[in-house]
Amino acid sequence: AQSVTQPDIHITVSEGASLELRCNYSYGATPYLFWYVQSPGQGLQLLLKYFSGDTLVQGIKGFEAEFKRSQSSFNLRKPSVHWSDAAEYFCAVGDDYKLSFGAGTTVTVRA
Amino acid sequence: NAGVTQTPKFQVLKTGQSMTLQCAQDMNHEYMSWYRQDPGMGLRLIHYSVGAGITDQGEVPNGYNVSRSTTEDFPLRLLSAAPSQTSVYFCASSQDGTGGSYNEQFFGPGTRLTVL
Repeated sequence: AQSVTQPDIHITVSEGASLELRCNYSYGATPYLFWYVQSPGQGLQLLLKYFSGDTLVQGIKGFEAEFKRSQSSFNLRKPSVHWSDAAEYFCAVGDDYKLSFGAGTTVTVRA
Repeated sequence: NAGVTQTPKFQVLKTGQSMTLQCAQDMNHEYMSWYRQDPGMGLRLIHYSVGAGITDQGEVPNGYNVSRSTTEDFPLRLLSAAPSQTSVYFCASSQDGTGGSYNEQFFGPGTRLTVL
């Protein structure tokens, strides 16, 4: 069975500081991996995804993620956080038709 | 394009009542799905469809029915609502699935359902 763990429920970061969100997955084969962002009261928006190839993936809004098979991880990073990055972030793992989401990490950005 | 639309935005039901959550997309996507979002649990897949006339169960299908008579619409039915079904429900669609570099799931704005 596939599953995702996001160890950090809530992270507070200063504007301009770097951000790293952790994601660990369990999956039997090479997984499809995703990061989504959800702003308050909104649906989810895809930030980036990994299917194969280069293990460092670039996404929208200046985000990137690195797939590490040996650690079963897919951590999300941003070098310099903006106040508009305050949101909830979800990691997901899946196959061709089903996704499993983590519980999410809420990011608060302080001035 | 309107993308993925969901109606209603909010709904309050009494235990035992039935209702249908509507989902429509205008992107000619073959794949559509329903998730529920509960605090501390992320999103969980309820049902999905890979095309008109084809549906399958996700992680938490009990208490929910779906059908897909057209490419555009994918309604979710609660036959006898229970308090445990209080949640925020999201519909999503993509070209033909969740795999493949070309696929991206587009999510609707959600329906907040309360069952008393």
